[in-house]
Amino acid sequence: DTAVSQTPKYLVTQMGNDKSIKCEQNLGHDTMYWYKQDSKKFLKIMFSYNNKELIINETVPNRFSPKSPDKAHLNLHINSLELGDSAVYFCASSHRLAGGRGTDTQYFGPGTRLTVL
Amino acid sequence: SQQGEEDPQALSIQEGENATMNCSYKTSINNLQWYRQNSGRGLVHLILIRSNEREKHSGRLRVTLDTSKKSSSLLITASRAADTASYFCATDADPGGGADGLTFGKGTHLIIQP
Repeated sequence: DTAVSQTPKYLVTQMGNDKSIKCEQNLGHDTMYWYKQDSKKFLKIMFSYNNKELIINETVPNRFSPKSPDKAHLNLHINSLELGDSAVYFCASSHRLAGGRGTDTQYFGPGTRLTVL
Repeated sequence: SQQGEEDPQALSIQEGENATMNCSYKTSINNLQWYRQNSGRGLVHLILIRSNEREKHSGRLRVTLDTSKKSSSLLITASRAADTASYFCATDADPGGGADGLTFGKGTHLIIQP
Protein backbone atom coordinates (compact mmCIF):
# COMPACT_ATOMS: atom_id res chain seq x y z
CA ASP A 1 0.00 0.00 0.00
CA THR A 2 1.28 3.43 -0.92
CA ALA A 3 1.86 5.51 2.21
CA VAL A 4 2.08 8.97 0.63
CA SER A 5 0.81 9.39 -2.91
CA GLN A 6 0.89 12.35 -5.27
CA THR A 7 -0.80 13.04 -8.56
CA PRO A 8 0.13 13.76 -11.21
CA LYS A 9 3.67 12.41 -11.47
CA TYR A 10 4.46 14.74 -14.36
CA LEU A 11 2.87 18.08 -15.16
CA VAL A 12 3.76 20.15 -18.21
CA THR A 13 1.98 23.45 -18.63
CA GLN A 14 2.22 26.94 -20.09
CA MET A 15 3.23 30.07 -18.23
CA GLY A 16 0.29 31.87 -16.69
CA ASN A 17 -1.81 28.75 -16.15
CA ASP A 18 -3.22 27.61 -12.80
CA LYS A 19 -2.56 24.05 -11.70
CA SER A 20 -3.03 21.76 -8.70
CA ILE A 21 -1.07 18.84 -7.32
CA LYS A 22 -2.84 16.38 -5.05
CA CYS A 23 -1.37 14.57 -2.06
CA GLU A 24 -2.84 11.87 0.13
CA GLN A 25 -1.38 9.96 3.07
CA ASN A 26 -2.82 6.82 4.65
CA LEU A 27 -0.47 6.75 7.65
CA GLY A 28 -2.75 8.56 10.08
CA HIS A 29 -0.20 11.35 10.47
CA ASP A 30 -1.26 14.70 11.86
CA THR A 31 1.12 16.91 9.90
CA MET A 32 1.69 17.25 6.17
CA TYR A 33 4.27 19.22 4.22
CA TRP A 34 5.16 20.45 0.78
CA TYR A 35 8.78 20.71 -0.35
CA LYS A 36 10.30 22.04 -3.57
CA GLN A 37 13.41 20.46 -5.09
CA ASP A 38 15.16 22.61 -7.67
CA SER A 39 17.33 21.59 -10.59
CA LYS A 40 20.39 21.41 -8.32
CA LYS A 41 18.52 18.95 -6.08
CA PHE A 42 18.21 21.44 -3.25
CA LEU A 43 15.12 20.68 -1.15
CA LYS A 44 13.31 23.49 0.60
CA ILE A 45 10.27 23.44 2.84
CA MET A 46 7.30 25.40 1.49
CA PHE A 47 4.47 24.68 3.92
CA SER A 48 3.54 22.58 6.88
CA TYR A 49 -0.04 21.94 7.93
CA ASN A 50 -1.08 20.52 11.28
CA ASN A 51 -4.62 20.34 12.60
CA LYS A 52 -5.72 23.36 10.60
CA GLU A 53 -2.60 25.31 11.50
CA LEU A 54 -0.75 26.40 8.40
CA ILE A 55 2.85 27.51 8.63
CA ILE A 56 4.21 29.18 5.54
CA ASN A 57 7.84 29.65 4.57
CA GLU A 58 8.12 33.40 4.05
CA THR A 59 10.00 32.93 0.78
CA VAL A 60 7.07 31.17 -0.92
CA PRO A 61 5.13 33.44 -3.29
CA ASN A 62 1.45 33.86 -2.48
CA ARG A 63 0.65 32.31 -5.86
CA PHE A 64 1.14 29.02 -4.02
CA SER A 65 -1.66 27.95 -1.71
CA PRO A 66 -2.11 24.64 0.11
CA LYS A 67 -5.60 23.33 0.63
CA SER A 68 -6.51 20.57 3.07
CA PRO A 69 -10.00 19.07 2.74
CA ASP A 70 -9.22 16.65 5.59
CA LYS A 71 -6.33 15.30 7.66
CA ALA A 72 -5.26 12.83 4.99
CA HIS A 73 -4.99 15.32 2.12
CA LEU A 74 -2.93 18.42 1.44
CA ASN A 75 -3.21 19.69 -2.10
CA LEU A 76 -1.02 22.38 -3.62
CA HIS A 77 -2.60 24.98 -5.87
CA ILE A 78 -0.42 27.26 -7.97
CA ASN A 79 -1.74 30.36 -9.72
CA SER A 80 -0.18 32.18 -12.67
CA LEU A 81 2.66 29.71 -13.17
CA GLU A 82 6.10 31.11 -13.95
CA LEU A 83 9.16 29.55 -15.57
CA GLY A 84 10.95 29.55 -12.21
CA ASP A 85 8.27 27.31 -10.72
CA SER A 86 9.67 24.39 -12.73
CA ALA A 87 10.89 21.89 -10.15
CA VAL A 88 10.00 18.64 -8.44
CA TYR A 89 7.43 19.07 -5.67
CA PHE A 90 7.32 16.57 -2.84
CA CYS A 91 4.57 16.02 -0.34
CA ALA A 92 5.43 14.48 3.03
CA SER A 93 3.74 13.59 6.28
CA SER A 94 4.74 12.84 9.84
CA HIS A 95 3.62 12.85 13.44
CA ARG A 96 4.37 15.95 15.43
CA LEU A 97 5.93 15.04 18.75
CA ALA A 98 4.36 16.30 21.95
CA GLY A 99 5.94 18.87 24.19
CA GLY A 100 7.51 20.89 21.42
CA ARG A 101 9.98 18.11 20.66
CA GLY A 102 9.70 18.61 16.95
CA THR A 103 8.67 16.22 14.23
CA ASP A 104 9.15 12.51 13.82
CA THR A 105 10.31 10.69 10.70
CA GLN A 106 8.85 12.20 7.56
CA TYR A 107 7.48 9.99 4.79
CA PHE A 108 7.73 11.40 1.31
CA GLY A 109 5.60 10.97 -1.76
CA PRO A 110 7.17 10.08 -5.12
CA GLY A 111 7.22 13.69 -6.29
CA THR A 112 5.58 15.67 -9.07
CA ARG A 113 7.84 17.02 -11.78
CA LEU A 114 6.42 20.35 -12.90
CA THR A 115 7.66 21.87 -16.14
CA VAL A 116 6.50 25.35 -17.07
CA LEU A 117 6.99 26.29 -20.73
CA SER B 1 20.90 30.60 5.36
CA GLN B 2 21.00 26.91 4.64
CA GLN B 3 21.01 24.67 7.68
CA GLY B 4 22.68 21.48 6.57
CA GLU B 5 25.79 21.11 4.47
CA GLU B 6 26.94 17.69 3.36
CA ASP B 7 30.50 16.83 2.64
CA PRO B 8 31.67 15.61 0.19
CA GLN B 9 29.31 16.70 -2.57
CA ALA B 10 30.19 13.58 -4.54
CA LEU B 11 31.86 10.31 -3.58
CA SER B 12 32.84 7.38 -5.78
CA ILE B 13 34.08 4.14 -4.20
CA GLN B 14 34.44 0.48 -5.05
CA GLU B 15 31.81 -2.04 -4.05
CA GLY B 16 32.59 -3.51 -0.67
CA GLU B 17 34.32 -0.41 0.65
CA ASN B 18 32.87 1.81 3.36
CA ALA B 19 31.39 5.20 2.53
CA THR B 20 31.38 8.10 4.97
CA MET B 21 29.40 11.29 4.51
CA ASN B 22 29.41 14.28 6.82
CA CYS B 23 26.84 16.92 7.60
CA SER B 24 27.16 20.23 9.42
CA TYR B 25 24.35 22.45 10.62
CA LYS B 26 23.95 25.83 12.26
CA THR B 27 21.17 25.94 14.84
CA SER B 28 19.97 23.88 17.79
CA ILE B 29 18.03 20.80 16.77
CA ASN B 30 15.44 18.35 18.07
CA ASN B 31 16.72 15.63 15.79
CA LEU B 32 18.72 15.01 12.64
CA GLN B 33 17.57 12.64 9.91
CA TRP B 34 19.28 11.02 6.94
CA TYR B 35 17.44 10.31 3.70
CA ARG B 36 18.34 8.56 0.46
CA GLN B 37 17.11 9.59 -2.95
CA ASN B 38 17.57 7.38 -5.99
CA SER B 39 17.67 9.16 -9.32
CA GLY B 40 14.24 10.44 -10.30
CA ARG B 41 12.58 9.03 -7.20
CA GLY B 42 11.27 10.24 -3.85
CA LEU B 43 13.14 10.39 -0.58
CA VAL B 44 13.45 7.34 1.63
CA HIS B 45 14.04 7.77 5.34
CA LEU B 46 17.14 5.97 6.60
CA ILE B 47 17.66 6.89 10.21
CA LEU B 48 16.71 9.50 12.80
CA ILE B 49 19.01 10.48 15.66
CA ARG B 50 17.75 12.65 18.50
CA SER B 51 19.71 15.53 19.95
CA ASN B 52 20.43 13.57 23.15
CA GLU B 53 21.83 10.58 21.24
CA ARG B 54 25.42 10.26 20.05
CA GLU B 55 25.34 7.17 17.86
CA LYS B 56 22.76 4.99 16.19
CA HIS B 57 22.94 1.86 14.05
CA SER B 58 20.57 0.38 11.50
CA GLY B 59 21.80 -2.59 9.51
CA ARG B 60 24.86 -1.43 7.54
CA LEU B 61 24.27 2.19 8.54
CA ARG B 62 25.94 3.98 11.42
CA VAL B 63 25.12 7.57 12.27
CA THR B 64 26.91 9.76 14.76
CA LEU B 65 25.88 13.14 16.13
CA ASP B 66 28.07 15.71 17.81
CA THR B 67 25.86 18.58 18.98
CA SER B 68 28.84 20.53 20.32
CA LYS B 69 30.30 20.65 16.82
CA LYS B 70 26.89 20.72 15.16
CA SER B 71 27.86 17.85 12.90
CA SER B 72 26.78 14.35 11.98
CA SER B 73 28.22 11.53 9.91
CA LEU B 74 26.66 8.65 8.02
CA LEU B 75 28.73 5.52 7.50
CA ILE B 76 27.61 2.84 5.07
CA THR B 77 29.63 -0.32 5.53
CA ALA B 78 30.29 -2.98 2.88
CA SER B 79 28.77 -0.84 0.13
CA ARG B 80 26.74 -2.35 -2.69
CA ALA B 81 25.90 -1.13 -6.17
CA ALA B 82 22.32 -0.58 -4.98
CA ASP B 83 23.59 2.03 -2.50
CA THR B 84 24.27 4.38 -5.42
CA ALA B 85 22.05 7.39 -4.68
CA SER B 86 22.05 10.89 -3.24
CA TYR B 87 22.13 11.11 0.53
CA PHE B 88 20.69 14.07 2.42
CA CYS B 89 20.88 15.10 6.02
CA ALA B 90 17.93 17.07 7.36
CA THR B 91 17.50 18.86 10.64
CA ASP B 92 14.42 19.47 12.71
CA ALA B 93 15.25 22.80 14.31
CA ASP B 94 14.61 23.62 17.97
CA PRO B 95 12.63 25.76 18.23
CA GLY B 96 11.02 25.30 14.85
CA GLY B 97 11.31 28.25 12.57
CA GLY B 98 9.97 29.17 9.15
CA ALA B 99 7.66 26.47 7.87
CA ASP B 100 8.45 24.12 10.73
CA GLY B 101 9.52 21.32 8.42
CA LEU B 102 12.92 19.77 7.90
CA THR B 103 15.86 21.79 6.63
CA PHE B 104 17.85 19.81 4.09
CA GLY B 105 21.46 19.97 3.05
CA LYS B 106 22.58 19.89 -0.55
CA GLY B 107 23.28 16.18 -0.47
CA THR B 108 26.14 13.82 -1.22
CA HIS B 109 25.96 11.92 -4.48
CA LEU B 110 27.37 8.45 -3.83
CA ILE B 111 28.45 6.19 -6.68
CA ILE B 112 29.38 2.59 -5.97
CA GLN B 113 31.58 1.13 -8.70
CA PRO B 114 31.00 -2.62 -9.27
